[in-house]
Amino acid sequence: EVQLVESGGGLAQPGGSLRLSCAASGFTVTNNYMNWVRQAPGKGLEWVSVIYKGGSANYADSVKGRFTVSRDNSKNTLYLQMNSLRAEDTALYYCARDPSGYFDWSSNRYLYFYMDVWGKGTTVTVSS
Amino acid sequence: DIQMTQSPSSLSTSVGDRIFITCRASQSISNYLNWYQQKPGKAPKLLIYSASSLQSGVPPRFSGSGSGTDFTLSISSLQPEDFATYYCQQSYSAPLTFGGGTKVEIK
Repeated sequence: EVQLVESGGGLAQPGGSLRLSCAASGFTVTNNYMNWVRQAPGKGLEWVSVIYKGGSANYADSVKGRFTVSRDNSKNTLYLQMNSLRAEDTALYYCARDPSGYFDWSSNRYLYFYMDVWGKGTTVTVSS
Repeated sequence: DIQMTQSPSSLSTSVGDRIFITCRASQSISNYLNWYQQKPGKAPKLLIYSASSLQSGVPPRFSGSGSGTDFTLSISSLQPEDFATYYCQQSYSAPLTFGGGTKVEIK
């Protein structure tokens, strides 16, 4: 069964750090774009970051320089290292797969498609 | 960044009704537009991708249309399980962005 399971959420102080994990089963993370999407309480969806098949990444401006996405191919697991946390980072964090994304050499850009598999999310609360 | 504007933000309707939700992009995104359904306490679920392609397992009462900047999600005969919040999302370029959501409620 194709599945994503997030973990690692919890309570952190402003300025603190947390590392989220997203364990994949039924498919290989390195063959897909893998995204992090968050949802603040009572709010809509906000894309956070993507890690491409080749291992490079992209981030929303709101987290750039503070968050780092990575993966462990041997564990088939995605991570989100969250540093310098702020109250506005409080949210439910989902990981999600884009199975069709690829780098288009003719236009020299990454192409994105859709997120077809989502985890249930892990909650991050930033508060003193 | 590409802004996605959904309307209406909420919709009160009845079982059996046909509804339309619109999504407008701040610039042309071709057909790089997806629709998701989210129920309370659950993760989003992909309904429509590439503006009009039905995701596997999604009932055919859901359909999508549009290209460029204007898109529509239609539900032909609303069922009790369709009461949820719907989001559009552009996948044309990063940062990927979502619309603000449309909450579909029972009248």
